[in-house]
Amino acid sequence: GAVVSQHPSRVICKSGTSVKIECRSLDFQATTMFWYRQFPKQSLMLMATSNEGSKATYEQGVEKDKFLINHASLTLSTLTVTSAHPEDSSFYICSARDGASQLPLHFGNGTRLTVT
Amino acid sequence: EDQVTQSPEALRLQEGESSSLNCSYTVSGLRGLFWYRQDPGKGPEFLFTLYSAGEEKEKERLKATLTKKESFLHITAPKPEDSATYLCALYGGSQGNLIFGKGTKLSVKP
Repeated sequence: GAVVSQHPSRVICKSGTSVKIECRSLDFQATTMFWYRQFPKQSLMLMATSNEGSKATYEQGVEKDKFLINHASLTLSTLTVTSAHPEDSSFYICSARDGASQLPLHFGNGTRLTVT
Repeated sequence: EDQVTQSPEALRLQEGESSSLNCSYTVSGLRGLFWYRQDPGKGPEFLFTLYSAGEEKEKERLKATLTKKESFLHITAPKPEDSATYLCALYGGSQGNLIFGKGTKLSVKP
């Protein structure tokens, strides 16, 4: 079946540094990718939507200068957490929408970010 | 506003003890209701999509049903490996994204 690969699975960084997370669709073209954030015992909250070749759309309350999203190809989107702070520590998950089916079915395995 | 509410928050079952998880929703126009399974530290794993009231889908010990206001995930004779958090989501939002409930954490004891 369709696979979404997310890397890295875990990252620990120091406060003030930047971290890049990659999301790849392995066997389909993802015209749209979604980035979610999940806190313990909470639901997945949509952060932003990225469309290949255009600027990302951010949800209300999400700082676009802090969470930089790039969707440079139909198989790759990246999320960069800039100048990370401890409160950015969370579980980040990407999802890719298959351009053929138009359904947002497939998720990556998530990235656990810890900012010290 | 589209909304998804799942209950119970947590459910403990003995192996073989069948039960149901509930997902109630409000939406202006249903374009799809999704069920996912999420294991600790992992991304959601797709289980089912339901599109219209009366629709049912099955996969092994799981069966999902849909009415105009809620969906149920029935689990028959569960096994310990069915332990996970089960997430319900609506296909909606301004970007065609998924709107998730908080999930039901299922624990099945041998």
